[in-house]
Amino acid sequence: RKEVEQDPGPFNVPEGATVAFNCTYSNSASQSFFWYRQDCRKEPKLLMSVYSSGNEDGRFTAQLNRASQYISLLIRDSKLSDSATYLCVVRGGSNYKLTFGKGTLLTVNP
Amino acid sequence: DTAVSQTPKYLVTQMGNDKSIKCEQNLGHDTMYWYKQDSKKFLKIMFSYNNKELIINETVPNRFSPKSPDKAHLNLHINSLELGDSAVYFCASSQDLDGSYEQYFGPGTRLTVT
Repeated sequence: RKEVEQDPGPFNVPEGATVAFNCTYSNSASQSFFWYRQDCRKEPKLLMSVYSSGNEDGRFTAQLNRASQYISLLIRDSKLSDSATYLCVVRGGSNYKLTFGKGTLLTVNP
Repeated sequence: DTAVSQTPKYLVTQMGNDKSIKCEQNLGHDTMYWYKQDSKKFLKIMFSYNNKELIINETVPNRFSPKSPDKAHLNLHINSLELGDSAVYFCASSQDLDGSYEQYFGPGTRLTVT
């Protein structure tokens, strides 16, 4: 099992749609969880951290289920500017390393 | 003001050559990283330094040698370049080793080995 696995995508959705991304991780001792966003030919940037109780930032909602080792990202009312690759990122238990998923490409169409 | 900068942005070179990529951060962070993103877009950590000390050294060929002259700089030297080294190399920094801090990435160096 890969350390961090994401929906392979790609996702093509119309503007205004709601889209959800899923991610699973293999290390049960993982401590920190994030969603990063990477635009085409650009560097990754932090979208949001993921907290145990779930958290929301505007149109974006992140959920964590430690028992199932599962992380999700929900985007409501998609905008054209949301088109990007979304990377699920996990920090392991005893080391300082961030492990990135392969990413899921989202294209929002007009 | 650029937070994390890398030079060069593009690097095209022949197999067998030696090349360096430079990285600087002006965020006052203690920790810096090198990542490799291959053609399949998989982003993998190579090295991490904290206050000039090597912390993470993933399974990377010893042709790759990082150097941190001070905590604001982390350079990557690559000897005897191979075709498989073609990738985008990202430098990043974070406040310190605590993995809960955001990592800030540089714009990347697109290396093509011919």
